[in-house]
Amino acid sequence: DQQVKQNSPSLSVQEGRISILNCDYTNSMFDYFLWYKKYPAEGPTFLISISSIKDKNEDGRFTVFLNKSAKHLSLHIVPSQPGDSAVYFCAASAPNTGNQFYFGTGTSLTVIP
Amino acid sequence: GAVVSQHPSRVICKSGTSVKIECRSLDFQATTMFWYRQFPKQSLMLMATSNEGSKATYEQGVEKDKFLINHASLTLSTLTVTSAHPEDSSFYICSTRSGHEQYFGPGTRLTVT
Repeated sequence: DQQVKQNSPSLSVQEGRISILNCDYTNSMFDYFLWYKKYPAEGPTFLISISSIKDKNEDGRFTVFLNKSAKHLSLHIVPSQPGDSAVYFCAASAPNTGNQFYFGTGTSLTVIP
Repeated sequence: GAVVSQHPSRVICKSGTSVKIECRSLDFQATTMFWYRQFPKQSLMLMATSNEGSKATYEQGVEKDKFLINHASLTLSTLTVTSAHPEDSSFYICSTRSGHEQYFGPGTRLTVT
């Protein structure tokens, strides 16, 4: 049962343009959401997070938007850079699931120079 | 964020042998560590939660006698894949949790021939 879904397995964007990565979830108890970046043969790196009490969190070129009513979050990267090319995972946690994070299947972003 | 290391980064073993993977929290005393596995083009799947000084908590469907976890100190957790088979070939990643975030190790690529 995939509670966190990333329906786009891949995305290509021109350098300098905006990259928008999407994530949907089904569990209304999720109260904390995170985005991780992963290069091949490496562990995921924490990128940005958002609590369910907020609808937006910004950190430099990265902004995460949360739409609780739609159970949808998105990661915006602007401007996109070639070094942003990686697989991006969204993850969610809920207060009643202990320490478990639920991960999406990832979106592979390619930023074209 | 916390710095997590794993050793080895890559291991090839023969079917039927056992392999030990180490996960170290370098700058953070981790009472809890997590072990994930990732198949190609799939999400990160939590295998077990490793608790310092006590037994690990395994997720449903994960064989505790096959994937032995030891968390003997606040900085070291080990995962031993016993009697490995080719279907155990995967990318194994450990993590520690600090507050809301999880910090991942670089991963270990296990190939069972």
